[in-house]
Amino acid sequence: DGGITQSPKYLFRKEGQNVTLSCEQNLNHDAMYWYRQDPGQGLRLIYYSQIVNDFQKGDIAEGYSVSREKKESFPLTVTSAQKNPTAFYLCASSINTGATYNEQFFGPGTRLTVL
Amino acid sequence: AQKVTQAQTEISVVEKEDVTLDCVYETRDTTYYLFWYKQPPSGELVFLIRRNSFDEQNEISGRYSWNFQKSTSSFNFTITASQVVDSAVYFCALRELYNTDKLIFGTGTRLQVFP
Repeated sequence: DGGITQSPKYLFRKEGQNVTLSCEQNLNHDAMYWYRQDPGQGLRLIYYSQIVNDFQKGDIAEGYSVSREKKESFPLTVTSAQKNPTAFYLCASSINTGATYNEQFFGPGTRLTVL
Repeated sequence: AQKVTQAQTEISVVEKEDVTLDCVYETRDTTYYLFWYKQPPSGELVFLIRRNSFDEQNEISGRYSWNFQKSTSSFNFTITASQVVDSAVYFCALRELYNTDKLIFGTGTRLQVFP
């Protein structure tokens, strides 16, 4: 089935550790996105990528890094520089960022907890 | 500045009641799209509908209907004869023509439908 997979579903991290969240899509979409969701808040954009080997910072990129070496994959690294990383992380993709009407498709999310 | 406001943080209804979720947006662009997403307890956002700024026709899909009014910058969502399976967080989102990379989300409305 076509879709977006994120792993792991739950992740626990000790303070000071870097951790990488996986996002894979088999929809052949060009664009991919990472969002952070905190309780009672909407989704905030961390990073996005329109094409392989290129990505842009979103609204809250500090303390995060990404790579886009393959069209299907867009991993997110939460570094120790991120002061408050405990949150729910959602990955999304869309067919073409150049068209306003394209909806984004979302993965099931990863819940990260810092101990 | 672009913004999406969902003033209703949480709504509780009993099954078979009708319920309307409000969405008010701000944009300086004349061309934009509005979206509604559903986030069930599993966490994954599910796309419900897309509406462009030039189409003010109401949309009906089964028990769901949407009312778009540019005069009041609103894009409200009504569920008729609500069911327990409708329990979720619902997000309204805006995408502007000149800023196609960003999907701007409201803070969401949590709907609880009790049997």
